[in-house]
Amino acid sequence: KQEVTQIPAALSVPEGENLVLNCSFTDSAIYNLQWFRQDPGKGLTSLLLIQSSQREQTSGRLNASLDKSSGRSTLYIAASQPGDSATYLCAVRQVNYGGSQGNLIFGKGTKLSVKP
Amino acid sequence: DAGITQSPRYKITETGRQVTLMCHQTWSHSYMFWYRQDLGHGLRLIYYSAAADITDKGEVPDGYVVSRSKTENFPLTLESATRSQTSVYFCASSFGRGFTEAFFGQGTRLTVV
Repeated sequence: KQEVTQIPAALSVPEGENLVLNCSFTDSAIYNLQWFRQDPGKGLTSLLLIQSSQREQTSGRLNASLDKSSGRSTLYIAASQPGDSATYLCAVRQVNYGGSQGNLIFGKGTKLSVKP
Repeated sequence: DAGITQSPRYKITETGRQVTLMCHQTWSHSYMFWYRQDLGHGLRLIYYSAAADITDKGEVPDGYVVSRSKTENFPLTLESATRSQTSVYFCASSFGRGFTEAFFGQGTRLTVV
């Protein structure tokens, strides 16, 4: 059974700091990995999608990497801002040979707080 | 409006009542999903659908029923609501099964009293 773990569960940093959020998964048979942002009481906003054949993706100050063989992904946020404060979720789109193919399995998230 | 929308945004219902949460997407995505989000458990898959008239159970399907008569709609029904079904429910969709991005609705906060 695929399990996705995010460490740390919470992180507090001063404004301007570069930071890394970690995501690990137990089954490397995935289609892709997606990072989401969730603000309190809101839905999930897709940040970055990395296909299983890719090593990294970038969008503005965000850079996500994927090492499928070791079951790890990182989300790098450069020059953090108070507006980056939110919960960050990673999810893998798993490949199953029978049953529920292509479903997203989520980690429990990292709650990020960026202090002014 | 383009995108994926859920209704209602907030709902309070009594134990034993039937309640339906609506999900509508405008992209003609083939895949649609229902998740629930609970503190300590994260997001868990309830049901998913690969196309109209094709649905299957996820991790926590008990007490829920889905249907998908049209590609754009994927309603979730709680047949007889229980307090344990108090949660935030998210609908999602994606173009295909595998190498495609998933998009989420804004969620429905359901309280069962």
